Amino acid sequence: DTGVSQDPRHKITKRGQNVTFRCDPISEHNRLYWYRQTLGQGPEFLTYFQNEAQLEKSRLLSDRFSAERPKGSFSTLEIQRTEQGDSAMYLCASSLVETGELFFGEGSRLTVL
Amino acid sequence: GENVEQHPSTLSVQEGDSAVIKCTYSDSASNYFPWYKQELGKRPQLIIDIRSNVGEKKDQRIAVTLNKTAKHFSLHITETQPEDSAVYFCAANPSNTGKLIFGQGTTLQVKP
Repeated sequence: DTGVSQDPRHKITKRGQNVTFRCDPISEHNRLYWYRQTLGQGPEFLTYFQNEAQLEKSRLLSDRFSAERPKGSFSTLEIQRTEQGDSAMYLCASSLVETGELFFGEGSRLTVL
Repeated sequence: GENVEQHPSTLSVQEGDSAVIKCTYSDSASNYFPWYKQELGKRPQLIIDIRSNVGEKKDQRIAVTLNKTAKHFSLHITETQPEDSAVYFCAANPSNTGKLIFGQGTTLQVKP
């Protein structure tokens, strides 16, 4: 296992289009997180799962954003009707419940034109 | 909700000097405080963490201190080296939840 992997690494889209990002966590990790990071800022929490259950979703998260983890393994983050303000790096992380240490993926960079 | 404030936003030191980054948090129920290092274009990586049942933890040139009463914690890097140059983020887990709330980051520059 080589760590958390994310796909695609880069996505350029036009405003109004839908995009989907995929995250494959470290295989034995039961928690999976999505964060958003813009230039010069810390990672901003979006949502997280324990196994297949979505335990929390940020109140700041627009209803255009939806995340799933159907079988408790990989997860997808979909953004509908993208806006220029959605341009950011979308980071996925995973952890074990027992330790809480987050292992991050390399991120998926979204550019909305 | 939890708020994590981090200072300074930028820090420049001479190689060999020490660097200190400070964070405060608002949720007294937080019990896990990690520090992440992010190099340009790379993923954040954990460098050290501390739990609320200890006041200090050290790992070679890096140490973290925690003051639960004042709700602040600090990262100390001694004998800094140019490869320590990066952005450092502190974080806390509000109300003992699984998520982490991150500070705004400190850009550390170590001049050779």
